[in-house]
Amino acid sequence: IVLTQSPGTQSLSPGERATLSCRASQSVTSSYLAWYQQKPGQAPRLLIYGASTRATGIPDRFSGSGSGTDFTLTINRLEPEDFAVYHCQHYHSSLYTFGQGTKLEIK
Amino acid sequence: QVQLVESGGGVVQPGTSLRVSCAASGFSFSRYAMHWVRQAPGKGLEWMGIISFDGSDKYYADSVKGRFTITRDNSRNTLYLQMNSLRAEDTAVYYCARERVSDYGENYFDLWGQGTLVTVSS
Repeated sequence: IVLTQSPGTQSLSPGERATLSCRASQSVTSSYLAWYQQKPGQAPRLLIYGASTRATGIPDRFSGSGSGTDFTLTINRLEPEDFAVYHCQHYHSSLYTFGQGTKLEIK
Repeated sequence: QVQLVESGGGVVQPGTSLRVSCAASGFSFSRYAMHWVRQAPGKGLEWMGIISFDGSDKYYADSVKGRFTITRDNSRNTLYLQMNSLRAEDTAVYYCARERVSDYGENYFDLWGQGTLVTVSS
């Protein structure tokens, strides 16, 4: 299964809403879809699992949705600390796949 | 403190071997499946492989199958990645990550180390 994230880079201003897409090459189980945030020089941090469940400590401006082949990470009211790279990830039959990432940059 | 700390990275020549380690602390290491994930400079994340909680099951990405081996020592709370026949394209930051499975069967990586850089160059 190949995960394709779009756009590659998104330029937005603080306070705006970001909508990041993760598309799977075939229908996948929502239970196994996760999103991670990664800042420069840091390890990834879990944001969302099961396509829509926020991880512990993640602000409610982050939300995940989707099913089948199309999944979305939405970030409302962007804060300066939200500008980072976002990765989607899926698990299927003992194999794990990441998308290529979306960079969210300040406009 | 719940954490994973990788070590053992460095600069190695093509064709050689290297073993990197991941020391776990602050949680019951032997209860969790563990993964290795790498990230080449300026690139995305690439999953390398998984080892079950007791080391009895392992699965690898096709890109490293047969060259890389994941092992663990639960008595030492340590995960290992043995890398053989290294190539320039193996240059990356190598992360270990803990797998969590929710009550509803959702899989995800909830704890990551800070990574160790492996550079393969002559």
